[in-house]
Amino acid sequence: DAMVIQNPRYQVTQFGKPVTLSCSQTLNHNVMYWYQQKSSQAPKLLFHYYDKDFNNEADTPDNFQSRRPNTSFCFLDIRSPGLGDAAMYLCATSSGLAGVHTQYFGPGTRLTVL
Amino acid sequence: QQQVKQSPQSLIVQKGGISIINCAYENTAFDYFPWYQQFPGKGPALLIAIRPDVSEKKEGRFTISFNKSAKQFSLHIMDSQPGDSATYFCAASMNPGNTGKLIFGQGTTLQVKP
Repeated sequence: DAMVIQNPRYQVTQFGKPVTLSCSQTLNHNVMYWYQQKSSQAPKLLFHYYDKDFNNEADTPDNFQSRRPNTSFCFLDIRSPGLGDAAMYLCATSSGLAGVHTQYFGPGTRLTVL
Repeated sequence: QQQVKQSPQSLIVQKGGISIINCAYENTAFDYFPWYQQFPGKGPALLIAIRPDVSEKKEGRFTISFNKSAKQFSLHIMDSQPGDSATYFCAASMNPGNTGKLIFGQGTTLQVKP
């Protein structure tokens, strides 16, 4: 089945220790998004790629970076995780076709910062 | 103007009852209004979506009612079941550059009592 896959599902890191979260998709979608979701809150968009074009949200901290080496994969790098970065990180994709807005979400990676 | 306001924050319904969640928006440029369902520890999943050229869309027990003049839309869950217990997010989107960025409401936690 075509899908959005996130690895790992659970990640524990230490305060200040860099961490990388992975997302892959078999939908061949042009657009990939990274969201941060804290408990009892809506997902918050961090950034997205349209093909190789990177689009950062204005309020996304510099501590968060992303890479998209090819259509299928996208990575979220947190350079120096703080306690406030503990959250669920969601990857999503959409086709990028005109008028087609549907986003498909992965299962998320739960990040714990010790 | 980019906000989507969702209510209520939480909702308790008896099995077999009707669950109603409301959302309101300001930006008339929005042209796509999806509802996402999220179970604990999972990513959001698209439930149903509507465009502003129709006033109602029904899929099984789930119905979206859309009032363009009032800039409001709502989700109705008929014959609510305990398995419907989840968090529901409304969202709105417009499609500049084909990226379909979603603006989420704050979420509603639904509990269906058996």
